[in-house]
Amino acid sequence: GENVEQHPSTLSVQEGDSAVIKCTYSDSASNYFPWYKQELGKGPQLIIDIRSNVGEKKDQRIAVTLNKTAKHFSLHITETQPEDSAVYFCALRSGGSYIPTFGRGTSLIVHP
Amino acid sequence: NAGVTQTPKFQVLKTGQSMTLQCAQDMNHEYMSWYRQDPGMGLRLIHYSVGAGITDQGEVPNGYNVSRSTTEDFPLRLLSAAPSQTSVYFCASSYSSSSGRINEQFFGPGTRLTVL
Repeated sequence: GENVEQHPSTLSVQEGDSAVIKCTYSDSASNYFPWYKQELGKGPQLIIDIRSNVGEKKDQRIAVTLNKTAKHFSLHITETQPEDSAVYFCALRSGGSYIPTFGRGTSLIVHP
Repeated sequence: NAGVTQTPKFQVLKTGQSMTLQCAQDMNHEYMSWYRQDPGMGLRLIHYSVGAGITDQGEVPNGYNVSRSTTEDFPLRLLSAAPSQTSVYFCASSYSSSSGRINEQFFGPGTRLTVL
């Protein structure tokens, strides 16, 4: 199946800094790219997603960018806060397939 | 709506025991999946279903069975538990729009399973 590489595996920042997590993929048929946030002891929850006909999407302090030519997409969090500390997963899906592929996750730690 | 619910939250089994992890959703979603989450391994798909009566294997199906007799319920059965099945298990559901577009997954809170 499709592979998606997610980096870094751990990211430590100071409150107020920006954080960027990047995922790369190989299947050019991928057309849906969601990002999930998993807080400690909970299930993952969608925070933002982008489809292949859009290059960038923003929602307050969170943004996702997609470069289909280079086959990578990134999550950008600005003005980080301690409550942003969590594990973030990228995912993608191809064509009409229901089955998403997940990255291995990034543990984001925001220090007060 | 309660969303996706899972029971139990925690379970300890002995090697060789069997059990069923329950998953239910009240959103009338047609798609449902089971994942296991292990440190450093992300989310790995065990089994999935695209509708009542239809199930298929994911990436790591060995040792697990599923059935989907109703839209709402998607139980995961461990036939003979092994220490390698110690993990956190998540159930998820999803739906397609009227345009046919498949949307995001909604995850349950998880079941933490330990097999001794």
